[in-house]
Amino acid sequence: KAGVTQTPRYLIKTRGQQVTLSCSPISGHRSVSWYQQTPGQGLQFLFEYFSETQRNKGNFPGRFSGRQFSNSRSEMNVSTLELGDSALYLCASSPGQGPGETQYFGPGTRLLVL
Amino acid sequence: AQSVTQLDSQVPVFEEAPVELRCNYSSSVSVYLFWYVQYPNQGLQLLLKYLSGSTLVESINGFEAEFNKSQTSFHLRKPSVHISDTAEYFCAVTSRGPGGGADGLTFGKGTHLIIQP
Repeated sequence: KAGVTQTPRYLIKTRGQQVTLSCSPISGHRSVSWYQQTPGQGLQFLFEYFSETQRNKGNFPGRFSGRQFSNSRSEMNVSTLELGDSALYLCASSPGQGPGETQYFGPGTRLLVL
Repeated sequence: AQSVTQLDSQVPVFEEAPVELRCNYSSSVSVYLFWYVQYPNQGLQLLLKYLSGSTLVESINGFEAEFNKSQTSFHLRKPSVHISDTAEYFCAVTSRGPGGGADGLTFGKGTHLIIQP
């Protein structure tokens, strides 16, 4: 099976702009989670979607949003970009939504905000 | 709220020597524990996980971790490391959310394992 894919892989934006990142989960996986990775804060949970519904949300401002489509593909959007949003954004998928499920991570989208 | 502490940001060790990467967690509910590995220029991969049952869990490449509830620890060990084990290792915890699904993974800051020849 193909792994989790994320597009684009690299992105440069300026402050105030908005950005949309895309994630295609492993075929058959219905849960998609998003994480932000920075050198200072490490890996932080953004949100999780299962069957097109947001099930859990981390401690991020409302500028960070996401959605999931009927084919389980997911997008996350960041509006009014700030310099501190520069990070590696990771998407992970799992077959179900139980706490013991293994999450399979994509390669990430590296976002640079200037 | 949950938290994970990885006490060492870097661990240098000679090839074929044993290694232990420390992980302590804080949680008020039953937890599920994971170790993920990030090799250079690669994505995060699951190394092993503890869900329930035997407190000692093993990976296919010789790593093992022991869940110690009284010490709230989940340390990762390998009796003899290889140069190919050079990577960033992340400990993570989750629990069952209010709707029955999982809370998001809470990760430690990571430990960089450096294997010296």
